[in-house]
Amino acid sequence: GQQLNQSPQSMFIQEGEDVSMNCTSSSIFNTWLWYKQEPGEGPVLLIALYKAGELTSNGRLTAQFGITRKDSFLNISASIPSDVGIYFCAGRTGGATNKLIFGTGTLLAVQP
Amino acid sequence: DGGITQSPKYLFRKEGQNVTLSCEQNLNHDAMYWYRQDPGQGLRLIYYSQIVNDFQKGDIAEGYSVSREKKESFPLTVTSAQKNPTAFYLCASSIQRDSPLHFGNGTRLTVT
Repeated sequence: GQQLNQSPQSMFIQEGEDVSMNCTSSSIFNTWLWYKQEPGEGPVLLIALYKAGELTSNGRLTAQFGITRKDSFLNISASIPSDVGIYFCAGRTGGATNKLIFGTGTLLAVQP
Repeated sequence: DGGITQSPKYLFRKEGQNVTLSCEQNLNHDAMYWYRQDPGQGLRLIYYSQIVNDFQKGDIAEGYSVSREKKESFPLTVTSAQKNPTAFYLCASSIQRDSPLHFGNGTRLTVT
């Protein structure tokens, strides 16, 4: 089946550092979504990307839709303690399958 | 406030009992979804519904059943046929099938 590889699996950083995570696949996607999930809560949508090459920001977060349509990255600048959580990517395939596939998540821990 | 409400937050059941998880949304979204989340795995789709009175199996539908009698409501029944029912269950909705998903805060089901 289609798979989405998300890396890194976890990151432990100091407050103020920049963070980068990415998702790659052998499949082509026509939408990339990035979510953040805090313990015991549901994922919250951070950024949605719809076109190859698209670069979108949401405050300190920036995400890009890869040119090949097989990858996406999320950057967080100047991390703060409340950035702690699990970040998920999700890619939607197009055409008849029209499936949303989730990555396995990146756990981010920020030390004050 | 518009949103997706899942209840209860925690649910405990004995093996062999059916249990129904509630999901209500007041976002006027057409599509609704049920996902299962297990540690270290991406979200896996159980069932989805694009319109009232219609629903489709997802990737892991065995042992689950749903109904969509009202636009706002999409309850999930975990039956005794589900081999490993203990998990975190997430309900989501979207304006339409291709739109980004918005999630509820989940129900943690423990079956002993």
